[in-house]
Amino acid sequence: AQTVTQSQPEMSVQEAETVTLSCTYDTSESDYYLFWYKQPPSRQMILVIRQEAYKQQNATENRFSVNFQKAAKSFSLKISDSQLGDAAMYFCAYRSGNNAGNMLTFGGGTRLMVKP
Amino acid sequence: DVKVTQSSRYLVKRTGEKVFLECVQDMDHENMFWYRQDPGLGLRLIYFSYDVKMKEKGDIPEGYSVSREKKERFSLILESASTNQTSMYLCASSQWRGYNEQFFGPGTRLTVL
Repeated sequence: AQTVTQSQPEMSVQEAETVTLSCTYDTSESDYYLFWYKQPPSRQMILVIRQEAYKQQNATENRFSVNFQKAAKSFSLKISDSQLGDAAMYFCAYRSGNNAGNMLTFGGGTRLMVKP
Repeated sequence: DVKVTQSSRYLVKRTGEKVFLECVQDMDHENMFWYRQDPGLGLRLIYFSYDVKMKEKGDIPEGYSVSREKKERFSLILESASTNQTSMYLCASSQWRGYNEQFFGPGTRLTVL
């Protein structure tokens, strides 16, 4: 079974600065997808960014980008120009490429605090 | 605008009670999921359903059952609630194929006394 590990339970960043959240995963598969989800306080979880394992190019979405290191099984999220609205729980998730049911395996989460 | 709704934001029940948590999605999604969220453990899959009346066990199905009689509705049932089922419960839905994202409901924080 696949496992996803987020080694930083909490992180903090100064507004306008850059922060990187770490995620590692364990799998024997070569075809899979990785996701970062954001859960703001008392609000619904939303998708931030996703990465297909077969793509070498790192995904980016505005201020959010990933550093995908397939050999190292690492998938970190970089948030540039941090804003107060970025404060949230962030979850890394893995989806097998063979998974027709679209099931996800989540990491334990990282709470990001943004200081004004 | 896509929507997944859950019947209650907060729920308090007593040990031994039967508890129903309901989830409704308006996106005509085939897949629906129930997760349990606990600090440090992230989200763990309880059950999922890929079609009406179809269900599959997730990682932690013990003590739970589910029902999906209509495509848009997926219910989580705690047959006899116990204190160790106090948690946040999240429902999600997605399309059947591809790496389509899951859309989440707001969650139900259940306390079992």
